[in-house]
Amino acid sequence: DVKVTQSSRYLVKRTGEKVFLECVQDMDHENMFWYRQDPGLGLRLIYFSYDVKMKEKGDIPEGYSVSREKKERFSLILESASTNQTSMYLCASSAVGGRYEQYFGPGTRLTVT
Amino acid sequence: DQQVKQNSPSLSVQEGRISILNCDYTNSMFDYFLWYKKYPAEGPTFLISISSIKDKNEDGRFTVFLNKSAKHLSLHIVPSQPGDSAVYFCAAKKYSGYSTLTFGKGTMLLVSP
Repeated sequence: DVKVTQSSRYLVKRTGEKVFLECVQDMDHENMFWYRQDPGLGLRLIYFSYDVKMKEKGDIPEGYSVSREKKERFSLILESASTNQTSMYLCASSAVGGRYEQYFGPGTRLTVT
Repeated sequence: DQQVKQNSPSLSVQEGRISILNCDYTNSMFDYFLWYKKYPAEGPTFLISISSIKDKNEDGRFTVFLNKSAKHLSLHIVPSQPGDSAVYFCAAKKYSGYSTLTFGKGTMLLVSP
């Protein structure tokens, strides 16, 4: 059974802080993704990675960066948190080829005050 | 430009009846479609998918129909159960490039006893 875990379920940070969100998957998936979910906006892709040390921008990368040093771990970094980054952050992973399903973690509810 | 559209933000259905959730897309490069279900404070879970070479896929109470000429797909849940109450996201994958998914904004389904 695929398992994607995220380091925190709830996080409260102050404006200007550097924030790290960690994601780990245990199914040896090549692809990993970071989304944010906001009411009325659905899931929007921030960044994704298709291999170790490789990354690609998604639809809304501004204000974010990512790191993938190991295959199972994908980190999302908010260099200087702002209140408009208050959101639910979801990590997902998927295998190459196959049926293209992405498996999601439980999410991190980040509040920036 | 919203390429995957779920025009109904919410849907209410009585237990035992059919739930029909709709999704429209604009990009002809999409060749694979998925439905996800999301409960509050949890990550989305994969429900069912369909390739563009098919027009129907069934899995238990869930059936997805694809009308390529109309660029429309629908998810049928029969019979609906209170536990089906959740937000449902439609997602689509492009034929070429990375295996990223484009999500709709979601439809909240409420199944009342």
